[in-house]
Amino acid sequence: EVQLVQSGAEVKKPGESLKISCKGSGYSITSYWIGWVRQMPGRGLEWIGIIHPGDSETRYSPSFQGQVTISADKSISTAYLQWSSLRATDTATYYCVRSSGSFWYFDLWGHGTLVTVSS
Amino acid sequence: DIQMTQSPSTLSASVGDRVTITCRASQSISSWLAWYQQKPGKAPKLLIYKASTLQSGVPSRFSGSGSGTEFTLTISSLQPDDFATYYCQQYNNFSQWTFGQGTKVEIK
Repeated sequence: EVQLVQSGAEVKKPGESLKISCKGSGYSITSYWIGWVRQMPGRGLEWIGIIHPGDSETRYSPSFQGQVTISADKSISTAYLQWSSLRATDTATYYCVRSSGSFWYFDLWGHGTLVTVSS
Repeated sequence: DIQMTQSPSTLSASVGDRVTITCRASQSISSWLAWYQQKPGKAPKLLIYKASTLQSGVPSRFSGSGSGTEFTLTISSLQPDDFATYYCQQYNNFSQWTFGQGTKVEIK
């Protein structure tokens, strides 16, 4: 089955670091880009950034540049989204998504990782 | 950034109704527009890409149209499974993609 499987929900304190993951299966991960999308509670979708696991080329939305880091390990078909110092405003569900790179819509979505940041 | 504005924000309709959602771009995006459906607690699902191409497996009651700055998503006969929130997304320029704010389709 073609799918993106994300890591589980996280509860963190402000200032802590975090790395969440997204593992692709059922397809060649180096043939697609993997992106990340944020959805804050009760809100809409925001694109964060995208990476090509084959060569690690990465692009960020200006709104998230410098706030998060996207990386990938093609040997285990996994992409990551990480924070060095979380804030309460990072509380959201984070989805990983797949794009062909020929056209930039997202045809496959992970189930989402809920990140809660609270003191 | 290209801004995407959906209307209405909420829509109340009955099973069997024809439903139309509009998405407007702040500048021309040709036909580089996708539509997604999201149900509560679930990940979004791709319905339509390139403004009018139905994703594999999506029921034919869904259709998309438009180009340039104005686009529509139409559900020809609303089914119980269609009550959800719908988002448009423009992908005109590499790495500068944006979503609309969403349209919630509620039971009337």
